[in-house]
Amino acid sequence: GAGVSQSPSNKVTEKGKDVELRCDPISGHTALYWYRQSLGQGLEFLIYFQGNSAPDKSGLPSDRFSAERTGGSVSTLTIQRTQQEDSAVYLCASSLASGGPETQYFGPGTRLLVL
Amino acid sequence: AQSVSQHNHHVILSEAASLELGCNYSYGGTVNLFWYVQYPGQHLQLLLKYFSGDPLVKGIKGFEAEFIKSKFSFNLRKPSVQWSDTAEYFCAVKKEAAAGNKLTFGGGTRVLVKP
Repeated sequence: GAGVSQSPSNKVTEKGKDVELRCDPISGHTALYWYRQSLGQGLEFLIYFQGNSAPDKSGLPSDRFSAERTGGSVSTLTIQRTQQEDSAVYLCASSLASGGPETQYFGPGTRLLVL
Repeated sequence: AQSVSQHNHHVILSEAASLELGCNYSYGGTVNLFWYVQYPGQHLQLLLKYFSGDPLVKGIKGFEAEFIKSKFSFNLRKPSVQWSDTAEYFCAVKKEAAAGNKLTFGGGTRVLVKP
């Protein structure tokens, strides 16, 4: 497809379980971002990948959160030992990273519910 | 820390009314500015953006926004709304000089257009 895709679209898990969320960026986009959209906090930046550079992890809320990007394309966001406050919509975005100002294009998100 | 403020959390108006949504940011340097829209059940889509040049930018669906540097504002406007404009609108800011490309979002404004 032409846009950013994410899977699963919905995930229900029990407190304490680990979850993995997947993002497929737009083909050719070298920059990839994860954001979280929650009722109390709005839209928050989590992590940013750009090519082979070290990721910007400054937005990750705790060490239970991690992300990787394999082969410069697909990314996986992992949440270990999930807590109820992790319930949110996790959004992935990608951009060309051409070196100048750029636009981020968002995927449909994964709605995570931690019971 | 940089912040982005959207003054109205909820707006209700009738079709054909004019719409203006406020957005202010706190960062003093050069910024890239965006308005994104999220229609019910859909993902975030770009409405318009400002990088440089003419401070009055036009986007899709008849929306426009004006960047006023002295007021740190980027307000969104539409002269005559339609029922299909019912959505949540997000202002976002990126610091141009900062490493990485993360967006800082405002809290969003839910707009309900009554038919």
